Amino acid sequence: ETGVTQTPRHLVMGMTNKKSLKCEQHLGHNAMYWYKQSAKKPLELMFVYSLEERVENNSVPSRFSPECPNSSHLFLHLHTLQPEDSALYLCASSQDGSPGYEQYFGPGTRLTVT
Amino acid sequence: QQPVQSPQAVILREGEDAVINCSSSKALYSVHWYRQKHGEAPVFLMILLKGGEQKGHDKISASFNEKKQQSSLYLTASQLSYSGTYFCGTDQGAQKLVFGQGTRLTINP
Repeated sequence: ETGVTQTPRHLVMGMTNKKSLKCEQHLGHNAMYWYKQSAKKPLELMFVYSLEERVENNSVPSRFSPECPNSSHLFLHLHTLQPEDSALYLCASSQDGSPGYEQYFGPGTRLTVT
Repeated sequence: QQPVQSPQAVILREGEDAVINCSSSKALYSVHWYRQKHGEAPVFLMILLKGGEQKGHDKISASFNEKKQQSSLYLTASQLSYSGTYFCGTDQGAQKLVFGQGTRLTINP
């Protein structure tokens, strides 16, 4: 049990749908992250929130919209996605947003865009 | 700049040793190591900070040579439970981790 949960675990959506991914951390951390993991590619950082403020937006297309209402919850709102957006989306948290702290990952949401 | 991990894949018999390398073309402030088993979340193994210190627990250890901008992960007397994909994550001073492409480790009985 890593203390970071993600829902749903699997999601299939059409290109015109709107859906949201949810992440919750139970570790008392102040920073949360969204990563994209595609087959045969390294983990790609998408967004970082520290104390509920976005501190990093790694040139992510606007069809991905993050929301961090408090330090325990993180959402990724999806709309008008493309088939190449199919991937495993991982949420992580850490003590704070600096790279000197270990990150704890959730199990991920496997997203398929049809 | 994505760090380069080598080898990309390695197959061992239980009890054998392995070394996984992570090299960067940019200066590094710290290096993280994570292991991800198939269908599971990446799990933190250790972090090495600037200063060349070597860390380890159980039979997994790592070193960090900041002059060479590289880190190595050492797995000694490998166990079946060590199977998975190992990632290094590097802090290159941009306040975020940049991950390598991963090294797939398979341990056979």
